[in-house]
Amino acid sequence: QVQLVQSGAEVKKPGASVTVFCKASGYTFSNYGIHWVRQAPGQRLQWMGWINSGNGKTKYSQNFQGRVTITRDTSASTVYMELSSLRSEDTAMYYCARGPSEYSSGYFDYWGQGTLVTVSS
Amino acid sequence: DIVMTQSPDSLAVSLGERATINCKSSQSVLYSFNNKNYLAWYQQKPGQPPKLLIYWASTRESGVPDRFSGGGSGTDFTLTISSLQAEDVAVYFCQQYYGTPRTFGQGTKVEIK
Repeated sequence: QVQLVQSGAEVKKPGASVTVFCKASGYTFSNYGIHWVRQAPGQRLQWMGWINSGNGKTKYSQNFQGRVTITRDTSASTVYMELSSLRSEDTAMYYCARGPSEYSSGYFDYWGQGTLVTVSS
Repeated sequence: DIVMTQSPDSLAVSLGERATINCKSSQSVLYSFNNKNYLAWYQQKPGQPPKLLIYWASTRESGVPDRFSGGGSGTDFTLTISSLQAEDVAVYFCQQYYGTPRTFGQGTKVEIK
């Protein structure tokens, strides 16, 4: 069965960076893209970016002003999301989600359990 | 960005009755090349990630009960729960995947009356 397992909760200070990982299993990793979506308290779900797990091509939301970087390790079937220059507004639950193909378009058919990132001084 | 607006924000329906959620996009999400609407619906229960219910506006995901149905085209869409069950209490989101960034509606909370 398809599973996306994310790393544990993080507490960071303003200005720091955080890296969250998403380990995939139950399917051929390189055949599907992985997206990152966050959900801040009281806010709607917000798409952050995507990676083609096969060739490493990425696409990012400009709403994050170059602060997000998504990479992957195909040997470990794992995708990493780094968010830099953290501020209090980045406090949110971060989800990885699988796309229906290797391309960036599409809905999200499987989701990780979420990683809570808290930014506080 | 394509703005997705859902209505209502919350909805209380009696068990066994119909629940209808609306979603409107700020521009069409119908791709004329393949005549498909790039619109999905998700269900989120407390403490859980969202779960895919519907994609291409009206295609039910495998395993989703047939009381859930999606409709609409262009800019106006609906999610209907034909006979509300207790386990359907959740927040429901629409999402467009026509443009980048992908964007979501603000969510509609469905409760039992």
